[in-house]
Amino acid sequence: SYVLTQPPSVSVAPGQTARMTCGGDNIGRKDAHWYQQKAGQAPVLVVYEDSNRPSGIPGRFSGSNSGNTATLTISGVEAGDEADYYCQVWETSSDHPVIFGGGTRLTVL
Amino acid sequence: EVQLVESGGGLVQPGRSLRLSCTASGFTFGDYAMSWFRRAPGKGLEWVGFIRSKPFGETSEYAASVKGRFSISRDDSTNIAYLQMNSLKTEDTAVYYCGRDGPFGTGFFDFWGLGTLVTVSS
Repeated sequence: SYVLTQPPSVSVAPGQTARMTCGGDNIGRKDAHWYQQKAGQAPVLVVYEDSNRPSGIPGRFSGSNSGNTATLTISGVEAGDEADYYCQVWETSSDHPVIFGGGTRLTVL
Repeated sequence: EVQLVESGGGLVQPGRSLRLSCTASGFTFGDYAMSWFRRAPGKGLEWVGFIRSKPFGETSEYAASVKGRFSISRDDSTNIAYLQMNSLKTEDTAVYYCGRDGPFGTGFFDFWGLGTLVTVSS
């Protein structure tokens, strides 16, 4: 089955830029989606279809997807951005269509 | 405002059953597929399964880890999606979340509930 690979952790100082990657075979041919989950809270969709932001998500969050890597970028990181971030794709023609990456813990130093 | 509220979690012995509910409000429930997910302690998010809306037959799909033990149903008259969990195993211990599928064909999940904890232990 399709596998998405995320680094376990990323650390950045406040105000810096955080880049979190999601690797998958030709992931650029699929739509990648990103979720933020803070401790004890529900997951929140922060980027959908590679680079679109839902209503209410700050412009600091952006996404890209090409080749074998999708990337979530958070500019001007704030303490409140500390969370786990998951990438996700929909694998058509599969009996397990919803695939998540293992998640990246973003730590704000 | 879209809201999803899970309920029904608790402590259950291995081999027993439990039914979770996801009560929805703030949108036309019958127009959307609904999914269940879980996050086990120390692990990441895992998709459990989904149920399509009535126009698409209310059919469901499941992850291999729960196929044959879990089933999803829905009641559009009360805006509730259910997750019936049978033959529970210790490895089913997790926080279970329901989520609303995005518009048909989009493949993402735009609203999630806060989750309900299921602990499978003797």
